[in-house]
Amino acid sequence: DQQVKQNSPSLSVQEGRISILNCDYTNSMFDYFLWYKKYPAEGPTFLISISSIKDKNEDGRFTVFLNKSAKHLSLHIVPSQPGDSAVYFCAASAYSGGSNYKLTFGKGTLLTVNP
Amino acid sequence: GAGVSQSPSNKVTEKGKDVELRCDPISGHTALYWYRQSLGQGLEFLIYFQGNSAPDKSGLPSDRFSAERTGGSVSTLTIQRTQQEDSAVYLCASRTRQGASTDTQYFGPGTRLTVL
Repeated sequence: DQQVKQNSPSLSVQEGRISILNCDYTNSMFDYFLWYKKYPAEGPTFLISISSIKDKNEDGRFTVFLNKSAKHLSLHIVPSQPGDSAVYFCAASAYSGGSNYKLTFGKGTLLTVNP
Repeated sequence: GAGVSQSPSNKVTEKGKDVELRCDPISGHTALYWYRQSLGQGLEFLIYFQGNSAPDKSGLPSDRFSAERTGGSVSTLTIQRTQQEDSAVYLCASRTRQGASTDTQYFGPGTRLTVL
């Protein structure tokens, strides 16, 4: 049972346009959401996060939106740049006891930004 | 500053052999996680360490998998009698123990394990 879903395996956009990556989740216990970016042969790099008490968080060109009622979040990249081409993973965190906040990941979306 | 490091970066082994994967977390990070990413899948949680103890081993797929951590630092993930389905990228992450869900996990580059 996949608790975090990224239904689009890939997305292609033109440089300068907006990239929108989507993520859905099923576990209502998730209270913190993160986006990681991954280049080939590298580990995931933290990009941006949002707490469940907020509906929007912005950091430069990156904005994450959270719709708790729909159990949906999205990552907007504006304007998109060729260097943004990577796999983007959506992850969710729930308290698991002690100081354990293990992450549950989606399968990722490969973003390609064309010059 | 140094990030999370993992070794080896690539490991090819024959079915039935044992392998050891190493993770060196960021200095001072007390929490350490192992994940794995199989082909076409997201990252899957394996085990969580707080200091040298592992209060959450719920993600280990079988008793062939074990992990330890010594000195609150380096961790080793051991897979005994490897099987072809163990082929994956094994990722380690560390974070400070702030006790909040907002603590960020920082990942190493991973070890790509191929079992022939």
